[in-house]
Amino acid sequence: AQSVTQLDSQVPVFEEAPVELRCNYSSSVSVYLFWYVQYPNQGLQLLLKYLSGSTLVKGINGFEAEFNKSQTSFHLRKPSVHISDTAEYFCAVSEWGTGNQFYFGTGTSLTVIP
Amino acid sequence: NAGVTQTPKFRILKIGQSMTLQCTQDMNHNYMYWYRQDPGMGLKLIYYSVGAGITDKGEVPNGYNVSRSTTEDFPLRLELAAPSQTSVYFCASSYIQGANEKLFFGSGTQLSVL
Repeated sequence: AQSVTQLDSQVPVFEEAPVELRCNYSSSVSVYLFWYVQYPNQGLQLLLKYLSGSTLVKGINGFEAEFNKSQTSFHLRKPSVHISDTAEYFCAVSEWGTGNQFYFGTGTSLTVIP
Repeated sequence: NAGVTQTPKFRILKIGQSMTLQCTQDMNHNYMYWYRQDPGMGLKLIYYSVGAGITDKGEVPNGYNVSRSTTEDFPLRLELAAPSQTSVYFCASSYIQGANEKLFFGSGTQLSVL
């Protein structure tokens, strides 16, 4: 069965500092990888996705993520965070050939401190 | 642009009561999903639908029912509410079949069963 692990449940970081949110997955087949962001009292929005090709993926709001197949990781990074980045971040995985089953991690709460 | 609309936003139920969470999308998406989000647990798939008249169980279907009579609507029914169903419920949709397709989420329904 597919599983997604986000080891850090909460990440506090000062404004303008860099941040990395970690995501690891387990799968025996090829996967598609996603990061979603959830602002307070809102639904999830797609931040970025990896389908194939370049392992470095750039998303909205200055975020980027790198797919590492050997380490089965898809960590999210931003070089300089802003107060408005405070939100919950979810890593998600779907497997090739399994239709539309998405598996979500437990989420990482990012708090940007002024 | 309405996107995915969920109603109600908040609801309190007594044990044993029933209710229907409404979800409608105006993007002509074939695929629709219901997730529940519990603290520290991420999102779990309850049911999904690949088109009008076709539904299937996800990871946590017990205690819920769905129907898909039209492309636009995908209501979720709780027949006998239990405290374990206290959660935030999200409806989502996607256009084409394929695990690379992103999900569009509604803003959620916060349900408390007391």
